[in-house]
Amino acid sequence: EDKVVQSPLSLVVHEGDTVTLNCSYEVTNFRSLLWYKQEKKAPTFLFMLTSSGIEKKSGRLSSILDKKELFSILNITATQTGDSAIYLCAAYSGGGADGLTFGKGTHLIIQP
Amino acid sequence: EAQVTQNPRYLITVTGKKLTVTCSQNMNHEYMSWYRQDPGLGLRQIYYSMNVEVTDKGDVPEGYKVSRKEKRNFPLILESPSPNQTSLYFCASSLSGHYGYTFGSGTRLTVV
Repeated sequence: EDKVVQSPLSLVVHEGDTVTLNCSYEVTNFRSLLWYKQEKKAPTFLFMLTSSGIEKKSGRLSSILDKKELFSILNITATQTGDSAIYLCAAYSGGGADGLTFGKGTHLIIQP
Repeated sequence: EAQVTQNPRYLITVTGKKLTVTCSQNMNHEYMSWYRQDPGLGLRQIYYSMNVEVTDKGDVPEGYKVSRKEKRNFPLILESPSPNQTSLYFCASSLSGHYGYTFGSGTRLTVV
């Protein structure tokens, strides 16, 4: 059974801190790993990673994938209160069926 | 604007009264999917569809039905809702799971 595990489940830091969110996966026929940010309602897409060692970057957020060790990290530098959200990781396993498996998310709270 | 539209946003209903949550996308996406999100359990897939008239069960299909008669629409039907179906529901669409989903704004369903 495909599995995606995120850690920590919850994290509280002060504004300005740097945080690292973790995502490990076990899926058959792995194709890509996706990160989403969920604030009040719908998850919004952040990154899609398919290749090991290539960092994707968007402003203060960056992410990297390690296909050998089967994990990904999402880094947020100089955090702001607007970064408070649930961050979801999902692994896509390809094949004929819809093979997207989500982790339970990391609830990040940034305190002023 | 490219989007996934769900209706209603909030719904309170009584046990056993059939209901339908509508979902429509304007991006000509092949894949559509329904998820439910519950505290501590993360996003769980209910049903998905890879094209018109092609649907399949996700991880938690019991108590739900779907149909895909047109490419843009993917309604979720609860024939006889029960309190354990109280949840936050998301509809999503994608070119393929590999590229991740675009999510609708969510439907908060309460069954009393």
